[in-house]
Amino acid sequence: DAGVIQSPRHEVTEMGQEVTLRCKPISGHDYLFWYRQTMMRGLELLIYFNNNVPIDDSGMPEDRFSAKMPNASFSTLKIQPSEPRDSAVYFCASSLALGTRTNTGELFFGEGSRLTVL
Amino acid sequence: GQSLEQPSEVTAVEGAIVQINCTYQTSGFYGLSWYQQHDGGAPTFLSYNALDGLEETGRFSSFLSRSDSYGYLLLQELQMKDSASYFCAVPTTSGTYKYIFGTGTRLKVLA
Repeated sequence: DAGVIQSPRHEVTEMGQEVTLRCKPISGHDYLFWYRQTMMRGLELLIYFNNNVPIDDSGMPEDRFSAKMPNASFSTLKIQPSEPRDSAVYFCASSLALGTRTNTGELFFGEGSRLTVL
Repeated sequence: GQSLEQPSEVTAVEGAIVQINCTYQTSGFYGLSWYQQHDGGAPTFLSYNALDGLEETGRFSSFLSRSDSYGYLLLQELQMKDSASYFCAVPTTSGTYKYIFGTGTRLKVLA
């Protein structure tokens, strides 16, 4: 398997523009997570899906952020309108199962999308 | 709230042993994970402790004490390629399932 695939790897845009980040999880993984990483706030969980259904979006910072998972092999994270404070690396990760006493819940991360909003 | 605390930076020389600590405050605790992230790269899974004690995997070992809400990652025979950031992380439930990460420890290995 090719692993989790994200695109674009780098995005530079101007404030107010719409940004769409894409993710293809590992085939067979039922869980998909979107994280944002910044120096100040570290790795923040934004939202996660189980079997294409959003389960917890409490980490989504504002209504400007939205995420969808129309099928098991594709998810998008959209920011509209974008602002400079959204500049970060956005990671998508997938996992086979949740972490429990017996399962590690190991997350497989994509290489990330580095977003710069000017 | 839920939080995981780690030292921000650790420096050591090649061949040495270094310990990276993690203290956590979470609800619905299942176990403690460790991830490695090189600059510009993605986090990659290193280990998971669900039970108290030490788990060894090659040069890396991980320890958990549930009663102390504490764990650590032990890296032995340090190599230059070990220079990276290390994150502790927990799968946890507080209402719904979450997988949250610590603040990260930047390890610098000197020649």
